[in-house]
Amino acid sequence: KAGVTQTPRYLIKTRGQQVTLSCSPISGHRSVSWYQQTPGQGLQFLFEYFSETQRNKGNFPGRFSGRQFSNSRSEMNVSTLELGDSALYLCASSLAGGLAVYEQYFGPGTRLTVT
Amino acid sequence: GQQLNQSPQSMFIQEGEDVSMNCTSSSIFNTWLWYKQDPGEGPVLLIALYKAGELTSNGRLTAQFGITRKDSFLNISASIPSDVGIYFCAGPGNQFYFGTGTSLTVIP
Repeated sequence: KAGVTQTPRYLIKTRGQQVTLSCSPISGHRSVSWYQQTPGQGLQFLFEYFSETQRNKGNFPGRFSGRQFSNSRSEMNVSTLELGDSALYLCASSLAGGLAVYEQYFGPGTRLTVT
Repeated sequence: GQQLNQSPQSMFIQEGEDVSMNCTSSSIFNTWLWYKQDPGEGPVLLIALYKAGELTSNGRLTAQFGITRKDSFLNISASIPSDVGIYFCAGPGNQFYFGTGTSLTVIP
């Protein structure tokens, strides 16, 4: 079974631009979560989507948004990029119900550098 | 929000030694998970714990769900070079929280 895939793996953007990152979950997984990882703040939860609906949201500004499609694939968007948005963005998928919903499987991440 | 503190922050051990690390929270968790992250990769799920007092093993790894539900422990027996990486605890609350991480270096 293929794992979680994220594209692109690496991205360099300029301050003020916007960026869209993509995530394809493991087949059969309907919950997709996004995380930001930085050396200073560690792994921080951005949001979770299930059945095309945002189910939970972390403490990030409105510049960070996401969506999920009917095939469970998800995208996240960051508008008006700031230098501090440079990070590894991780996507994780899990099964929809029961305790398995907590067992998240991560993709390799997208390394975003903002200059 | 809830904070998960891991200790030690880093460890340098000889190959073959056993390793112990822990994770504590100011709040109660009903589920604890342990992940390992290699450089340049996403975290990989190692063990999931669902019941206070539960002890679960995965090969050389053993994790325990603390009886107070505010802590969890991970032990690695007979460490090998491929155990190198950063170990994270995690738990679900109103969002998913990750610990501060324990960096493990194994010296051959």
